[in-house]
Amino acid sequence: GQNIDQPTEMTATEGAIVQINCTYQTSGFNGLFWYQQHAGEAPTFLSYNVLDGLEEKGRFSSFLSRSKGYSYLLLKELQMKDSASYLCAVMDSNYQLIWGAGTKLIIKP
Amino acid sequence: ETGVTQTPRHLVMGMTNKKSLKCEQHLGHNAMYWYKQSAKKPLELMFVYNFKEQTENNSVPSRFSPECPNSSHLFLHLHTLQPEDSALYLCASSQDLGGGSYEQYFGPGTRLTVT
Repeated sequence: GQNIDQPTEMTATEGAIVQINCTYQTSGFNGLFWYQQHAGEAPTFLSYNVLDGLEEKGRFSSFLSRSKGYSYLLLKELQMKDSASYLCAVMDSNYQLIWGAGTKLIIKP
Repeated sequence: ETGVTQTPRHLVMGMTNKKSLKCEQHLGHNAMYWYKQSAKKPLELMFVYNFKEQTENNSVPSRFSPECPNSSHLFLHLHTLQPEDSALYLCASSQDLGGGSYEQYFGPGTRLTVT
């Protein structure tokens, strides 16, 4: 079966760095997405990785290792507004997104 | 604002009611999706439309009936629902299907409660 695993909840301190991991087992691979979802709001796109390596976009970076079935989202200089759920999703061989259950990130002052 | 709107934002309905959810995208996208989001569970893909044609129906019960009259509008018709159908229903759109870099844009969702 297809499976995406990510931690249920993480806590970090304002100004710090946090890494949210995602491991996957899917039938085929056409890229990995990270989305941010604030409570009561729509998920919004953060990043897309299809090749191994690190993609940096401001305070957020996303890493992919296809051989390990592993990705992480790195958030630097954390701000209170970063408190949200972070969703990992993999596009399979049928170009359908397979979603993880999300990681709820709590930022403390 | 993501360019995808959904109405209503909240809906409470009895098990014998019939209601419809509406989604509209203003992005010129060709693909539209319905997802179900339950607490602490992954997003569940329900239906996919590409150029108004349904391409996926992921074993969704027949009490959910989608309709896509054009590439900008998507409906989800609901009838004789069960309490376990209570969830957040999200609509999304993307430029096209396939081509992995086409990120999906989500609407704010309809919070459905079945009593």
